Amino acid sequence: EAQVTQNPRYLITVTGKKLTVTCSQNMNHEYMSWYRQDPGLGLRQIYYSMNVEVTDKGDVPEGYKVSRKEKRNFPLILESPSPNQTSLYFCASSFNVMNTEAFFGQGTRLTVV
Amino acid sequence: GQNIDQPTEMTATEGAIVQINCTYQTSGFNGLFWYQQHAGEAPTFLSYNVLDGLEEKGRFSSFLSRSKGYSYLLLKELQMKDSASYLCAPLPTGKLIFGQGTTLQVKP
Repeated sequence: EAQVTQNPRYLITVTGKKLTVTCSQNMNHEYMSWYRQDPGLGLRQIYYSMNVEVTDKGDVPEGYKVSRKEKRNFPLILESPSPNQTSLYFCASSFNVMNTEAFFGQGTRLTVV
Repeated sequence: GQNIDQPTEMTATEGAIVQINCTYQTSGFNGLFWYQQHAGEAPTFLSYNVLDGLEEKGRFSSFLSRSKGYSYLLLKELQMKDSASYLCAPLPTGKLIFGQGTTLQVKP
């Protein structure tokens, strides 16, 4: 089954404790991206990747890191989480960035206390 | 810069027709997507328009006017399960961006 898998689905952590949210897709997609979704602000792009070893900042990259060492995986890293990073996070992938639909992971609800 | 504008909330009756409008200003344009998102779930693809005009897909249709920076999503024969947020997502060069979404409530 074609899918984008995120883990974990839910996470509560403390300020400053490094964490990684994993994202994996099995569709051989080139384009992957991370979004955060907050009430009243909609989906905002954090980072995106056009292909292996090619990543770029989205609209809200501060406090986040990503890597794209292999095509299927695109982990999101929070080196020192803060409470303002409490949010619902989605990973998405598509064949390319142009006229192809994006497939989303199930979401990760992160709470930083 | 990028700007997307769509109504925050709409209410409609089961069986009716509703039109959700979206206006946008983007740097570059490679088409426009509409996604549906139920509360707490991931967005799912509804439609894609790259040329002006109407694209019909079952109960859902989407319209695009590139010169006006305008699109709408038309939902016919509304069902209770259509209660969700609808996200307008224009595609400027290199990235997919989303509007804040329109929350549609369908009432019996």
